[in-house]
Amino acid sequence: IAGITQAPTSQILAAGRRMTLRCTQDMRHNAMYWYRQDLGLGLRLIHYSNTAGTTGKGEVPDGYSVSRANTDDFPLTLASAVPSQTSVYFCASRAGETGELFFGEGSRLTVL
Amino acid sequence: GQNIDQPTEMTATEGAIVQINCTYQTSGFNGLFWYQQHAGEAPTFLSYNVLDGLEEKGRFSSFLSRSKGYSYLLLKELQMKDSASYLCADMDSNYQLIWGAGTKLIIKP
Repeated sequence: IAGITQAPTSQILAAGRRMTLRCTQDMRHNAMYWYRQDLGLGLRLIHYSNTAGTTGKGEVPDGYSVSRANTDDFPLTLASAVPSQTSVYFCASRAGETGELFFGEGSRLTVL
Repeated sequence: GQNIDQPTEMTATEGAIVQINCTYQTSGFNGLFWYQQHAGEAPTFLSYNVLDGLEEKGRFSSFLSRSKGYSYLLLKELQMKDSASYLCADMDSNYQLIWGAGTKLIIKP
């Protein structure tokens, strides 16, 4: 069972470029999330989706967009990357409102 | 407001016991989570408390006091592999998790 798969695992990107981080889960979870994790800060929610076809903004949504065309996939797009978006990005999912979160292995993004 | 506080770093000795505290101030509360995160890896679930009291799960226990906005994670018989960051998160009224910055636990032989 793969769980949650993120790609790429690591990427160096020039400022101004467009980048999509991919996230796929095989657990048929309704809810999916994108977080960024920066040193000294807690995980911060970027965007979320409670079910296929719906998305919502988290704490730090600016500069990011998401889509949820089906249950399994939840890509995160940086339309025009900036250095402040250098971070580790985690995709997560959970089955219900109060269930535990399952995390992908993370995507380390460096914007130069 | 929403705020999670936990110590930045703690050091303990192999075989000993350590308690990691977490205080929260959330408008609406739907439970308190603890996650473990080894360096360079994804967080993994440890515990979930929604009622007051202590829940024990092997070497790890988690305690919650809703009236005090306080939780702790207790790790017994510490092993070197327990060296990791421990993340506290509370679930707000919208069922979103609010995360603390994590406590880095260093285990010494």
